[in-house]
Amino acid sequence: GAVVSQHPSWVICKSGTSVKIECRSLDFQATTMFWYRQFPKQSLMLMATSNEGSKATYEQGVEKDKFLINHASLTLSTLTVTSAHPEDSSFYICSARTSGGVDTQYFGPGTRLTVL
Amino acid sequence: GQQVMQIPQYQHVQEGEDFTTYCNSSTTLSNIQWYKQRPGGHPVFLIQLVKSGEVKKQKRLTFQFGEAKKNSSLHITATQTTDVGTYFCAVFSGSARQLTFGSGTQLTVLP
Repeated sequence: GAVVSQHPSWVICKSGTSVKIECRSLDFQATTMFWYRQFPKQSLMLMATSNEGSKATYEQGVEKDKFLINHASLTLSTLTVTSAHPEDSSFYICSARTSGGVDTQYFGPGTRLTVL
Repeated sequence: GQQVMQIPQYQHVQEGEDFTTYCNSSTTLSNIQWYKQRPGGHPVFLIQLVKSGEVKKQKRLTFQFGEAKKNSSLHITATQTTDVGTYFCAVFSGSARQLTFGSGTQLTVLP
């Protein structure tokens, strides 16, 4: 099946710093990628939808200036958490969808962010 | 977007007992997907249901889609410790077909 990777798998940073998370589709081209956030013992909450070459669409309540998304190629999307604070500590998961598979999304392994 | 209610939130069973989780929607769904997330892991796709009244089986797992396509269930027969994890249903919504996840059911299997 299709493989999606994320890097880093975990990161610890100081409050106020920015952290970039990469999501790559390894063996297919992803026209659309999704970014989710999952707090402990909670469900996955969609943060934004990113389409290659265009601006991301953010869900209500998600600050676009704080969570910068770039989808510069068909195999790479990045999420940058700017000026991170402890409340941003969470599990960030991306998923990718191919152009031919409307209802199939492939999830990355997730990135665990801890902000001190 | 589409909302689904999932129950129960937690379930502890003795190994060998059965387990069922339910998802309900107030609106008709085009399809529904089920995922399993092991502790510390990411969601893994299990199955997609599309047809009204559809029943699909994967070994000890049985998935059902209601006749009205407003509810779905996942049933595990004779649970094993390897079944431990959180089971999510998910539905599509929005123009970009985003997945909306249910709240999940965390399954604990006691040996």
